[in-house]
Amino acid sequence: DAKTTQPPSMDCAEGRAANLPCNHSTISGNEYVYWYRQIHSQGPQYIIHGLKNNETNEMASLIITEDRKSSTLILPHATLRDTAVYYCIARSMNRDDKIIFGKGTRLHILP
Amino acid sequence: SQTIHQWPATLVQPVGSPLSLECTVEGTSNPNLYWYRQAAGRGLQLLFYSVGIGQISSEVPQNLSASRPQDRQFILSSKKLLLSDSSFYLCAWSQTTGKTTFGSGTRLTVV
Repeated sequence: DAKTTQPPSMDCAEGRAANLPCNHSTISGNEYVYWYRQIHSQGPQYIIHGLKNNETNEMASLIITEDRKSSTLILPHATLRDTAVYYCIARSMNRDDKIIFGKGTRLHILP
Repeated sequence: SQTIHQWPATLVQPVGSPLSLECTVEGTSNPNLYWYRQAAGRGLQLLFYSVGIGQISSEVPQNLSASRPQDRQFILSSKKLLLSDSSFYLCAWSQTTGKTTFGSGTRLTVV
């Protein structure tokens, strides 16, 4: 899997958009970018994934740069419930590809 | 719909005792299955993954083993627990889309 790097922590005011960056400069052409989040004492929760086009779902938007070396997860209107550790992972859909988590970004939503 | 069951939610075991944590998936077939561990305040560590019945890959040498006796059943075991085995254990499954779903976890305390 390509190594990803994320800032260790970020703050965001409640109601504002939270923009979480991820660098994956060594990503391979067949690797997707996945985002998960882990709320304290729970298992990680899938958020969104994409290959090269921007993606949006009910939870978030994913913006991937044209060279695919970085991406940004956007939570459009952050709430206190969005406080969590957010993980960015690059992996292919090959069956043998492992899912390796980095340290993620600890997002604090400030009231 | 697909669901993943992991039990028990919490477990307190004495040092030297055996361990068996079970995870089952419903509503899908031939999933990839994973066991992760997360020490307090730390990141997710991949322990084992399986792409099919009887096929287990170990990521780190340790006091634990895994087995997959049926397509949708994944078991984490130990013959003799150590104090250092105290952790939060998570089972997960994924299919070809790469989206990974996690169980609710087992918090193991070895005393």
